[in-house]
Amino acid sequence: DVKVTQSSRYLVKRTGEKVFLECVQDMDHENMFWYRQDPGLGLRLIYFSYDVKMKEKGDIPEGYSVSREKKERFSLILESASTNQTSMYLCASSLFRDGGVLSNQPQHFGDGTRLSIL
Amino acid sequence: AQKVTQAQTEISVVEKEDVTLDCVYETRDTTYYLFWYKQPPSGELVFLIRRNSFDEQNEISGRYSWNFQKSTSSFNFTITASQVVDSAVYFCALLFYGGSQGNLIFGKGTKLSVKP
Repeated sequence: DVKVTQSSRYLVKRTGEKVFLECVQDMDHENMFWYRQDPGLGLRLIYFSYDVKMKEKGDIPEGYSVSREKKERFSLILESASTNQTSMYLCASSLFRDGGVLSNQPQHFGDGTRLSIL
Repeated sequence: AQKVTQAQTEISVVEKEDVTLDCVYETRDTTYYLFWYKQPPSGELVFLIRRNSFDEQNEISGRYSWNFQKSTSSFNFTITASQVVDSAVYFCALLFYGGSQGNLIFGKGTKLSVKP
C-alpha cells in the first residue's frame, strides 16, 4: 500500500514565521502535490512537482514555495505566515507523468496537517 | 470553463437508507477522467473510483454504484443501505488536458452524515 506521511498532524505558528510542512511518500511516485482545504472551497492546488527539483504552480501559489530535493520528499514552505493561511494542508502523490502530461492515476493522500497561524 | 459542481453541501440520512451524491462537470475536452474520493473524519482522502470519458459503463462495487452519463455531464454516486461508517465528505474530481499538461479540479464536496 502507498503511504504518504505528513510530518505533523497539528501545527500552531505565529504570524511572520517561516513554516515548513513536510511530506514523504514510500512508493517511488514521480508526482507530488500540495493542496489546502477550506470549508466551502474544497481542495485547491498550491504547487505540484513532476520530478526532483521540478515544480509547477497550482491555482493558489501566492505566499508559498516548495522544495523537492529528493524524489520521496516534497516540502511546502510558508515564507512569512499570515492568518489567512490557517487551513488544512493535504499532500498527495501519484504515479508517473506519462508522455509529458499529468498522470491519470489516482492520487494518494496523507492524513493532512491542520495549521493555525496566530 | 472547466468545473465540477457538487450541489449538495450536506446530506443527512438514517442508516439503511439509500443515498445519491450528485456530481455535474463541465469540460470542452473529449478525453477526460472523473474520480470520486472519500474523506472520513480522520482526514485522509481515499480513492474510490476512476472513469475515463470513453467508458460510460456503470459500475457497482458492493454497496457503492456509480452512474456516468455523458449526455447530462453527470457522474453520480449511490450508496445502498447506508451505514454509519459511510459518514464522510465525498469529493468528485475532473482531470482534463485541453492542450496543456493537465489539470485536476475538485468539487467542493458533499458531507454525508449517516445516523443510526
